[in-house]
Amino acid sequence: KQEVTQIPAALSVPEGENLVLNCSFTDSAIYNLQWFRQDPGKGLTSLLLIQSSQREQTSGRLNASLDKSSGRSTLYIAASQPGDSATYLCAVGVTDKLIFGTGTRLQVFP
Amino acid sequence: KAGVTQTPRYLIKTRGQQVTLSCSPISGHRSVSWYQQTPGQGLQFLFEYFSETQRNKGNFPGRFSGRQFSNSRSEMNVSTLELGDSALYLCASSFDRGRNTIYFGEGSWLTVV
Repeated sequence: KQEVTQIPAALSVPEGENLVLNCSFTDSAIYNLQWFRQDPGKGLTSLLLIQSSQREQTSGRLNASLDKSSGRSTLYIAASQPGDSATYLCAVGVTDKLIFGTGTRLQVFP
Repeated sequence: KAGVTQTPRYLIKTRGQQVTLSCSPISGHRSVSWYQQTPGQGLQFLFEYFSETQRNKGNFPGRFSGRQFSNSRSEMNVSTLELGDSALYLCASSFDRGRNTIYFGEGSWLTVV
């Protein structure tokens, strides 16, 4: 059974820091891995999608990597800003559904 | 291009009642899936519809059901509501099945009292 774990569960950092959020999964048989952001009381916003054949994806200050063999993905946020404060969720795509991690709650203070 | 639209956004129901939630996917998207989010269980997959057919179902009781219409719009229904059904119900759409980016709506907040 696929299990997805995110570490750390919560993170509080000053503005300007570079951050790494971690995601691990137990079964490497995945279609893809997607990172989402969720603001309080809101739905999920897709940040990056990495297909199983890819190693990384970049969008602006965000970079996500995928190592299927070790069951790991990292989301790198460069030069963090208060507006980055949210919960970040990773999800692995398997047979037409997503299995989510429990999320990392990020707070960036000025 | 409009995103995934869910209605209603908030609702309060009494135990034993039933509820229907609606989802309009992004135009052109044919796959619609539903997820339940609770503080205790996190995000859990409910079901996925494609071409008006349920293709995949999560581990939820039969009280949870859904359907998809020919225009890809989807509804989910929960009958005989229980307190534990209080959750944020999220609808997501994607162009096709499996490997595409999945886009979520803002969700429907259901409170069962």
